[in-house]
Amino acid sequence: QVQVVQSGSELKKPGASVKVSCQADANIFVGYVVNWVRQAPGQGLEWMGWINTDTGNPSYAQGFTGRFVFSLDTSVNTAFLQISGLKAEDTAVYYCARGDSSGSDPLGFWGQGTRVTVSS
Amino acid sequence: SYVLTQPPSVSVAPGKTARITCGGNNIGSKSVHWYQQKPGQAPMVVMYHDRDRPSGIPERFSGSNSGNTATLTISRVEAGDEAVYYCQVWDSRYWVFGGGTKLAVL
Repeated sequence: QVQVVQSGSELKKPGASVKVSCQADANIFVGYVVNWVRQAPGQGLEWMGWINTDTGNPSYAQGFTGRFVFSLDTSVNTAFLQISGLKAEDTAVYYCARGDSSGSDPLGFWGQGTRVTVSS
Repeated sequence: SYVLTQPPSVSVAPGKTARITCGGNNIGSKSVHWYQQKPGQAPMVVMYHDRDRPSGIPERFSGSNSGNTATLTISRVEAGDEAVYYCQVWDSRYWVFGGGTKLAVL
């Protein structure tokens, strides 16, 4: 069974940066986009945007521009989410999930989530 | 921006039918997907394109979508169905999630 594995939990101080990885154990990202979804403690799912694995072009949802950067290393089937200038409100679980660039199909092949805690 | 409205919670006794709604302006013109999320787990698709079930999802799960309301129906509810359910649609250039509905099995 194909898996998507994310990096482990992170504890960061306000103002620091964090980089979360999302690796597929096969070429399941090829031809698709990798979406990022945030879930704050006790809250719902919030779509952050995606990165197109064919073009490398990212697309960011409202509220996720500036401090948030999506990137890829296609040689190892891995997508990255980097957040700079961390704030307490960035404390959340971050998920990656495969999707298509037209939004015609639901998000599949989810990672297990990465918990990022921002605290002084 | 497009808004999806779900009831915060739905309670149902085992063996009964649960209906979870997702409201949105003319949502019947969009394709709705539903996710189930259990504590500590990633979401998983339980219904897509309004009424299609992924392999492995029981026939007890069904979906409909018309007008301003999409509905996920779970028949013969079991204790293992207890989870938070999210609806989702694609709005031109963005994915939109509903706020989630916690299904409590009494």
